[in-house]
Amino acid sequence: KAGVTQTPRYLIKTRGQQVTLSCSPISGHRSVSWYQQTPGQGLQFLFEYFSETQRNKGNFPGRFSGRQFSNSRSEMNVSTLELGDSALYLCASSSPGGAPNEQFFGPGTRLTVL
Amino acid sequence: ELKVEQNPLFLSMQEGKNYTIYCNYSTTSDRLYWYRQDPGKSLESLFVLLSNGAVKQEGRLMASLDTKARLSTLHITAAVHDLSATYFCPVRSGNTGKLIFGQGTTLQVKP
Repeated sequence: KAGVTQTPRYLIKTRGQQVTLSCSPISGHRSVSWYQQTPGQGLQFLFEYFSETQRNKGNFPGRFSGRQFSNSRSEMNVSTLELGDSALYLCASSSPGGAPNEQFFGPGTRLTVL
Repeated sequence: ELKVEQNPLFLSMQEGKNYTIYCNYSTTSDRLYWYRQDPGKSLESLFVLLSNGAVKQEGRLMASLDTKARLSTLHITAAVHDLSATYFCPVRSGNTGKLIFGQGTTLQVKP
């Protein structure tokens, strides 16, 4: 069974630009969550999508947005990039219902903002 | 507000020794996870703990959960160099996929 995939794996952007990251969950998983990991703030929850609806949102500015498609693939978008947005962005997929609702993480997208 | 605290934050130990990582969380949650992260890599799932008194073991790692004390432990037996990594114990917030992470514990096992 294929794992969670994320594209691209590495990205370099400049301040003010926007970026779109993609996440394909494990087949059959309908929940996708996004996290930002930085050395200073650690791992922080961005948002969760389930069946194309945002179910939860973390404390990030409106520049961070996301969506989920009918095939459960998810994208997140960051507009007007800032230097502080440089981070490893991880997505996780899970299958709600049943036990134990394990969450599987993708390899991540490392974003560098110059 | 749900918070997770791990200690120690950094642990350097000799191969062959035993040690325990502690994970405290501030409010009730119905599940706690343990993940491992190697430098520059993603998170690898180790354990999911659901109920009070739950104990799971895999190789040299054993995790337990005390929901009344809001405490989980990850016990390392006879450490080997391959266990060097950062370990996280996120807790689920509410009935969704949102996980709250602590700072992580970086384990360094020296030969």
